[in-house]
Amino acid sequence: GAVVSQHPSRVICKSGTSVKIECRSLDFQATTMFWYRQFPKKSLMLMATSNEGSKATYEQGVEKDKFLINHASLTLSTLTVTSAHPEDSSFYICSARDHLATNEKLFFGSGTQLSVL
Amino acid sequence: SQKIEQNSEALNIQEGKTATLTCNYTNYSPAYLQWYRQDPGRGPVFLLLIRENEKEKRKERLKVTFDTTLKQSLFHITASQPADSATYLCALIRGFKTIFGAGTRLFVKA
Repeated sequence: GAVVSQHPSRVICKSGTSVKIECRSLDFQATTMFWYRQFPKKSLMLMATSNEGSKATYEQGVEKDKFLINHASLTLSTLTVTSAHPEDSSFYICSARDHLATNEKLFFGSGTQLSVL
Repeated sequence: SQKIEQNSEALNIQEGKTATLTCNYTNYSPAYLQWYRQDPGRGPVFLLLIRENEKEKRKERLKVTFDTTLKQSLFHITASQPADSATYLCALIRGFKTIFGAGTRLFVKA
């Protein structure tokens, strides 16, 4: 099946630093990738839709300058949390659809646990 | 806006029994609905998709029903095993986006 690789799996950083998270589709091309955020025992909240070669579309309430998304190729999207603060600590997960597939299922990365001290 | 509700309380069942999880939604009429499994600290894994014109879908020990009148989907795991212990998420497609419920945690005791 399709594989989405996400790195790093865990990161601890100091407040004020920036953190980059990578999401790669390993065996398929993804014109669109999705970034979610999840708090413990809560639902996945869609943050933004990453479009290859164009600007990302952010959900209401998500600061685009805070969460920078780049989707430079059909297999790679990155999320950069800029000037991270403790309230940004969360589990971030990326996902993608195979753009050649006819169904709508999402393939997820393994997630990144971000802890900001 | 659309709302997806899953039982927030954990479901505890004995091995071998059938687990039934509920997903209710409001303010939307999705063309199809999906179920995912999520293990702690991991991303969700797709399990099943059911379309609005399908009443029931099966895959091995899994069965999903979709009642568009009640706006409800039921997810069944028959002959449950401890390895089935996980959080199960219901999801709807809205346009190009996938919207998730909060999930129901299932514990299967040996």
